[in-house]
Amino acid sequence: AQSVSQHNHHVILSEAASLELGCNYSYGGTVNLFWYVQYPGQHLQLLLKYFSGDPLVKGIKGFEAEFIKSKFSFNLRKPSVQWSDTAEYFCAVIPGSARQLTFGSGTQLTVLP
Amino acid sequence: DTAVSQTPKYLVTQMGNDKSIKCEQNLGHDTMYWYKQDSKKFLKIMFSYNNKELIINETVPNRFSPKSPDKAHLNLHINSLELGDSAVYFCASSLRAGTIIVAGELFFGEGSRLTVL
Repeated sequence: AQSVSQHNHHVILSEAASLELGCNYSYGGTVNLFWYVQYPGQHLQLLLKYFSGDPLVKGIKGFEAEFIKSKFSFNLRKPSVQWSDTAEYFCAVIPGSARQLTFGSGTQLTVLP
Repeated sequence: DTAVSQTPKYLVTQMGNDKSIKCEQNLGHDTMYWYKQDSKKFLKIMFSYNNKELIINETVPNRFSPKSPDKAHLNLHINSLELGDSAVYFCASSLRAGTIIVAGELFFGEGSRLTVL
């Protein structure tokens, strides 16, 4: 079945450490890719998105993600995390002209002060 | 001003009861969604309405019935609640151009946590 996979379920880092969260998808053809974040007790909000063009996209709060088509991946990165980055991170895909956003299972990031 | 608001935020009820969750958006969007987030944080789409017309209806028990009185509101009614219905339900909205979500961005409400005892 076509899907979105986030293999890291829980990542624990110390402040200032570098972050990379994995996201792989199994859809062929054109895809639109997203990372959403859910801070504790809050709603989901968009971090960044990729539609076309430069495969390295920059989002809010210093996050970036790289689309590697050959690897069907869209990994999220941040060079130096902060305690306030503690949250659940969701990768999501809209394949082709599909009418819906499909989410991965999420990665809980805990940043220790 | 809250862009997408859901009520109630918390709902605790007994098995077999009927309950509703309401959602309203003030963003001027034409499409609204209901997602279910289970205990493992997995988000799965349930329904989507575009200008009051149902456009997405995933495999959801018919005990769940969405109702969209206008494009700013999408309510979720659940009949004969079961233990497995316990979850956080998220409402979201977006703009669409034909079949495509404009800019691919959904705006989410804060979620309604349903606990069935």
